[in-house]
Amino acid sequence: GEDVEQSLFLSVREGDSSVINCTYTDSSSTYLYWYKQEPGAGLQLLTYIFSNMDMKQDQRLTVLLNKKDKHLSLRIADTQTGDSAIYFCAESKDTGGFKTIFGAGTRLFVKA
Amino acid sequence: DGGITQSPKYLFRKEGQNVTLSCEQNLNHDAMYWYRQDPGQGLRLIYYSQIVNDFQKGDIAEGYSVSREKKESFPLTVTSAQKNPTAFYLCASSEHRKYGYTFGSGTRLTVV
Repeated sequence: GEDVEQSLFLSVREGDSSVINCTYTDSSSTYLYWYKQEPGAGLQLLTYIFSNMDMKQDQRLTVLLNKKDKHLSLRIADTQTGDSAIYFCAESKDTGGFKTIFGAGTRLFVKA
Repeated sequence: DGGITQSPKYLFRKEGQNVTLSCEQNLNHDAMYWYRQDPGQGLRLIYYSQIVNDFQKGDIAEGYSVSREKKESFPLTVTSAQKNPTAFYLCASSEHRKYGYTFGSGTRLTVV
């Protein structure tokens, strides 16, 4: 079945780069997303990438997609304490089912 | 500014009572969704609606009900049939899922 997996925890030092990884099982996934959730808040869409792309960059964020391995990563350059949050990977597709499938989230802890 | 408003932010319910969570959007999005979030887990889809006066069950619809009488509004009722209702509830909307979702700030429901 459809599944999205992420490691649950990542700790980095302020100023370092953070890399959050995600794997998904559905090879027909068309859209892949990264969301950020701060404590007690809803999810905020950070970025998305289409399955026909390998990479997308937006300021400090770089998304890499390896379709062959069904692997998605989010790199945050110059990580700040304000980046501490839970990051969710998610996937969806145009055909067949309607659902967006979310991973369990990776909690990023940034040490000053 | 456009967005999604969920209310209340915190809600306490006695066992055996029904409660209704409000979700309003002014983004002119056709599709709206309700998700449930439990600690350490991803989001689980309760109900979704792609158009006014139509809605579909998600993965965990038992014990919940919705209505979609207006494009802007998608209230969720947690009934007494829901055995474990304590959770964080998130409402979302989308123009097209390739652009991802816009989430509300959530309602935390606690059964006392």
